[in-house]
Amino acid sequence: LAKTTQPISMDSYEGQEVNITCSHNNIATNDYITWYQQFPSQGPRFIIQGYKTKVTNEVASLFIPADRKSSTLSLPRVSLSDTAVYYCLVVDSRRLSNTGKLIFGQGTTLQVKP
Amino acid sequence: DVKVTQSSRYLVKRTGEKVFLECVQDMDHENMFWYRQDPGLGLRLIYFSYDVKMKEKGDIPEGYSVSREKKERFSLILESASTNQTSMYLCASNLGLAGAYEQYFGPGTRLTVT
Repeated sequence: LAKTTQPISMDSYEGQEVNITCSHNNIATNDYITWYQQFPSQGPRFIIQGYKTKVTNEVASLFIPADRKSSTLSLPRVSLSDTAVYYCLVVDSRRLSNTGKLIFGQGTTLQVKP
Repeated sequence: DVKVTQSSRYLVKRTGEKVFLECVQDMDHENMFWYRQDPGLGLRLIYFSYDVKMKEKGDIPEGYSVSREKKERFSLILESASTNQTSMYLCASNLGLAGAYEQYFGPGTRLTVT
């Protein structure tokens, strides 16, 4: 089963770029890398998903090296409202069973300071 | 706007009571999930359902059961609540057969068992 490892916490200042790296050494061929954001008292919210190289949307970028053993979520010019917990998970794209791959883990708590 | 709603935001129950947590989604999603979230442990999957009356165990199903009689509704049942089931419970839904698709989460129910 793919297991992810992320830093427990990170601090940043407004206007900076934040990069959160997730390692997933046992990632399988059909696994996608997915990131969620969670604010206090809310459910997680999907941010971005990728398979290889780079994916960008209006919120973030996701960088995935060729070996896919890690990935980096990049948040450009963070603001105070980006303070949240960020979860990395890998999910088999083909099947819903083998639910061990839907483990969100502890996540990374990002604190953005003024 | 997509929506997943949960019947209660806060719930206090006594040990031994039977507890029902209800989740409704309005997106015609095939898949629905129940997670619990505890400090330091992230989100852990309890059960999921990929169709009406169909269910599969997640990673921590012990002490829980589920019911899905209609596509839009997924219920989590604690047959005999115990204090170690005090937690935040999150419901989610998504489309299709692939586990990789974006999950939409409800706001959560904070259950306290005394």
